Amino acid sequence: AQSVAQPEDQVNVAEGNPLTVKCTYSVSGNPYLFWYVQYPNRGLQFLLKYITGDNLVKGSYGFEAEFNKSQTSFHLKKPSALVSDSALYFCAVRKGRRALTFGSGTRLQVQP
Amino acid sequence: DVKVTQSSRYLVKRTGEKVFLECVQDMDHENMFWYRQDPGLGLRLIYFSYDVKMKEKGDIPEGYSVSREKKERFSLILESASTNQTSMYLCASSGVKETQYFGPGTRLLVL
Repeated sequence: AQSVAQPEDQVNVAEGNPLTVKCTYSVSGNPYLFWYVQYPNRGLQFLLKYITGDNLVKGSYGFEAEFNKSQTSFHLKKPSALVSDSALYFCAVRKGRRALTFGSGTRLQVQP
Repeated sequence: DVKVTQSSRYLVKRTGEKVFLECVQDMDHENMFWYRQDPGLGLRLIYFSYDVKMKEKGDIPEGYSVSREKKERFSLILESASTNQTSMYLCASSGVKETQYFGPGTRLLVL
């Protein structure tokens, strides 16, 4: 069975500082990995995905994520956080079926 | 621009009522999904459909059914609503490129 872990319920960072939101996965073979963001009272918005190729994936709003197969991780990063980045972030994995398995989510709080 | 719409943003229903949640996508996607979102649990898959009239159970199908009579529309049905079905319900669709696109969600309260 596939699973995703987001070990931090909340991440706090000051505006302008780099941010990292952690994600580890468990799946056999080569996974498809995704990051989504959810703003209050909204659906999920797609940020980026890793299917194959370069381990560093660039996505929307200046976010990027690094796929690390040996550590089974797919951490989300941004060099300089904005207050408007404050939201709920979800990591997800797809393997073997069309649906995604989501992590429990990490709330990012960027302080001015 | 991709678009997934859900029939209601907020719903209040009584225990035992039959509840219909509708989802429509305009991207000609083959795959459609229903998830529920609860704090601390992330999103959990209820049902998905990979073609018209085709459906597969997800991780938590109990108490739910679905209908897909047309490619663009995927309905979630709560046969007899219960208080433990109070949740945020999210619909999504995807085509061959894997990325799922989500609707705005329906927040359902069952009293």
